[in-house]
Amino acid sequence: DAGVTQSPTHLIKTRGQHVTLRCSPISGHKSVSWYQQVLGQGPQFIFQYYEKEERGRGNFPDRFSARQFPNYSSELNVNALLLGDSALYLCASSLFNRLGSDSPLHFGNGTRLTVT
Amino acid sequence: QKEVEQDPGPLSVPEGAIVSLNCTYSNSAFQYFMWYRQYSRKGPELLMYTYSSGNKEDGRFTAQVDKSSKYISLFIRDSQPSDSATYLCAMSDTNAGKSTFGDGTTLTVKP
Repeated sequence: DAGVTQSPTHLIKTRGQHVTLRCSPISGHKSVSWYQQVLGQGPQFIFQYYEKEERGRGNFPDRFSARQFPNYSSELNVNALLLGDSALYLCASSLFNRLGSDSPLHFGNGTRLTVT
Repeated sequence: QKEVEQDPGPLSVPEGAIVSLNCTYSNSAFQYFMWYRQYSRKGPELLMYTYSSGNKEDGRFTAQVDKSSKYISLFIRDSQPSDSATYLCAMSDTNAGKSTFGDGTTLTVKP
């Protein structure tokens, strides 16, 4: 079975530009979560989507947005890039349901974003 | 003060040693406790997943949760050089999609 897949693997952008990161969850997983991991730190929660609805948002500015498609894949968009946005962006999927979840996250290998 | 504090390391042990990795937390609502292993330039890989207090064993790995002390541990027996990685603890309430992570402990197992 394919795991969580993310594209692209690496990306270099200039300050002020926009970026779109993509994620395909594990087959059967309807929940997708996005995390930002800065070097030397643990992943920080950005968004969770379940059946195309936002189910949670972390402490990130409005420059960050996301959406989920009918096939449960997801995009993370970041506008007006700052140098501090340089990080590994991780996508994870899980068997979330409306009553909560007893299923842990399964991560992709991330997109490494460098902002110059 | 972070919700989840993890022993920062780094940790260096000889092959075959028993390794103990630890995290403390402050949020009483946490019910699910996870340990992930992350190799360089890779995403976190789920190692252990436990609910509430108690122990769980899987091969060379044992996870312990003490909710009364808000303390979790991961033990690795007979450590191998291939265990060299960063270990992340994570925890959540009913929704693992919004897990809170520690900052990781980097482990090196020397042959």
